[in-house]
Amino acid sequence: AQSVTQPDIHITVSEGASLELRCNYSYGATPYLFWYVQSPGQGLQLLLKYFSGDTLVQGIKGFEAEFKRSQSSFNLRKPSVHWSDAAEYFCAVGERGSNYKLTFGKGTLLTVNP
Amino acid sequence: EPEVTQTPSHQVTQMGQEVILRCVPISNHLYFYWYRQILGQKVEFLVSFYNNEISEKSEIFDDQFSVERPDGSNFTLKIRSTKLEDSAMYFCASRERDLGTYEQYFGPGTRLTVT
Repeated sequence: AQSVTQPDIHITVSEGASLELRCNYSYGATPYLFWYVQSPGQGLQLLLKYFSGDTLVQGIKGFEAEFKRSQSSFNLRKPSVHWSDAAEYFCAVGERGSNYKLTFGKGTLLTVNP
Repeated sequence: EPEVTQTPSHQVTQMGQEVILRCVPISNHLYFYWYRQILGQKVEFLVSFYNNEISEKSEIFDDQFSVERPDGSNFTLKIRSTKLEDSAMYFCASRERDLGTYEQYFGPGTRLTVT
């Protein structure tokens, strides 16, 4: 069965600093990978996705992620964090044979210091 | 931009009561999902629904749970006899046909509190 690991439960960065959130997955075939963001009390918003092709994908709000098959990773990055980026971030893998149901990681809570 | 909507935003119920959570998926979408997130934990898949039938369900989705698309627009999750451990945020999601995007659009969630 597929699984997703987000090793960092909580990360604190200063506004303007760069950010990298880690995600490792376990999946037998080529994965469909997603990053979602959840602000307090809100639903899940898709930041970006990877299906195939270019391994560096661009998303909304200035985020990008790089798929590295050799490391089974799909880390999320942003060069300069804004205070409004404070939220919880979830990495997920979609399973092809199951209507692409999503398996989520436990999430990384991002705190941004002024 | 079209979006998935869910009602109510918060539901409080007593243990043993039946609850129905409602979702209106994006209109041209064909695949529908329910997920739940217990406070402080990760989002978990409950069930997927396509062509008016369940296509897959998790071990969480036992006989107390059911889903229905009663009128071609709404998608409901019913919990027949709620337990304390059913307290969670329930998310509905929908996806269009297999055109290569495969992304699921999530609603804002219904927070279910069982007392």
